Amino acid sequence: RKEVEQDPGPFNVPEGATVAFNCTYSNSASQSFFWYRQDCRKEPKLLMSVYSSGNEDGRFTAQLNRASQYISLLIRDSKLSDSATYLCVVNMGAAGGTSYGKLTFGQGTILTVHP
Amino acid sequence: GAVVSQHPSRVICKSGTSVKIECRSLDFQATTMFWYRQFPKKSLMLMATSNEGSKATYEQGVEKDKFLINHASLTLSTLTVTSAHPEDSSFYICSAPGPQGGDQPQHFGDGTRLSIL
Repeated sequence: RKEVEQDPGPFNVPEGATVAFNCTYSNSASQSFFWYRQDCRKEPKLLMSVYSSGNEDGRFTAQLNRASQYISLLIRDSKLSDSATYLCVVNMGAAGGTSYGKLTFGQGTILTVHP
Repeated sequence: GAVVSQHPSRVICKSGTSVKIECRSLDFQATTMFWYRQFPKKSLMLMATSNEGSKATYEQGVEKDKFLINHASLTLSTLTVTSAHPEDSSFYICSAPGPQGGDQPQHFGDGTRLSIL
């Protein structure tokens, strides 16, 4: 089983649509969770951190379910500029441990928003 | 905010050449930096953890003699791909935890696209 698993898509949606991405992780000791977006041939850019209480940033909502080891990202009112690869990222290390700060990336979910 | 600068952004060179990539934290100190590699249509894979003042820690399957890492100061880590071959062509990217610590979002360099002919 992959450490971080995502549906690779691709997702093709019209502008204005709502789209949801899912991610599961295998290590129950994982410490922190993020969604990054990566545009073609560019570095990943942080979209948002993910907290157990759920968090929202404008059109983006992230949820974390530690019991199920499941992370989600919801994008409402999709824009053309949302087209990118969305990476589910998990930091599996605890402070002071050998894996502290190491990030494990999912394979990414490709989103294309069309007019 | 914290910025990580990576240089060069693009390298094209002949097989057998050694290529050095620099990763600098511009306005904060980074005792640890991470080096990733990304092949086309694949996700980022951690290659190694660069530790200031000590040896790098390599992930399983990554040849330490092939990918030399030197964390020369609190703001600079370098990755040298020695005797590069076409199969080493990839997107290499570094990251550093920000001043807040390792469980916070990391700061990525812009990446280096390496093409070996």
